[in-house]
Amino acid sequence: DAGVTQSPTHLIKTRGQQVTLRCSPKSGHDTVSWYQQALGQGPQFIFQYYEEEERQRGNFPDRFSGHQFPNYSSELNVNALLLGDSALYLCASSKDGKNIQYFGAGTRLSVL
Amino acid sequence: GNSVTQMEGPVTLSEEAFLTINCTYTATGYPSLFWYVQYPGEGLQLLLKATKADDKGSNKGFEATYRKETTSFHLEKGSVQVSDSAVYFCALRNQGGKLIFGQGTELSVKP
Repeated sequence: DAGVTQSPTHLIKTRGQQVTLRCSPKSGHDTVSWYQQALGQGPQFIFQYYEEEERQRGNFPDRFSGHQFPNYSSELNVNALLLGDSALYLCASSKDGKNIQYFGAGTRLSVL
Repeated sequence: GNSVTQMEGPVTLSEEAFLTINCTYTATGYPSLFWYVQYPGEGLQLLLKATKADDKGSNKGFEATYRKETTSFHLEKGSVQVSDSAVYFCALRNQGGKLIFGQGTELSVKP
């Protein structure tokens, strides 16, 4: 049984560009949450998707947007990249969003 | 608002020493509490959880008890190993399912 998978593993972009990160949830899970983890910090909640709708959102600007597909996989899009967007982006999946969240290995984004 | 505060690291111990990592929280209602562990270059792995007051979560020799009166969820292990070296995160989950993490505590265990 595959766990949560994220792609790509690493990504390098320049300021002003746009990026799309992808996440496939654990089998049987229907909820995907995204977190940003800056170096040396704890993860910060970006948003959560359930039934293809954004259910909760953290304190992130509109440059951060997402999508969930009918197969429950999800994308995180970030527009107009800033140097401060450099971080590890973690995806977590769960059943109904209120059970244990299982994390992927993350996508390391570097903005130059 | 909801928040989690952990003791600052890094924590350096010798193998077989006793470990305590302090965690306190501020929350409305009755959140579930978690400890996650992150090994170098990896994502987060759930270590243990507790869903109500006085619950004790345990796994791989680690334990933590949900103390509502002191709003704490301290992580303990009686005898650490070199393989326990990692960053440990305390977290709470609000009613909507959002996880709120502490800043993490780096543990280094020397042989």
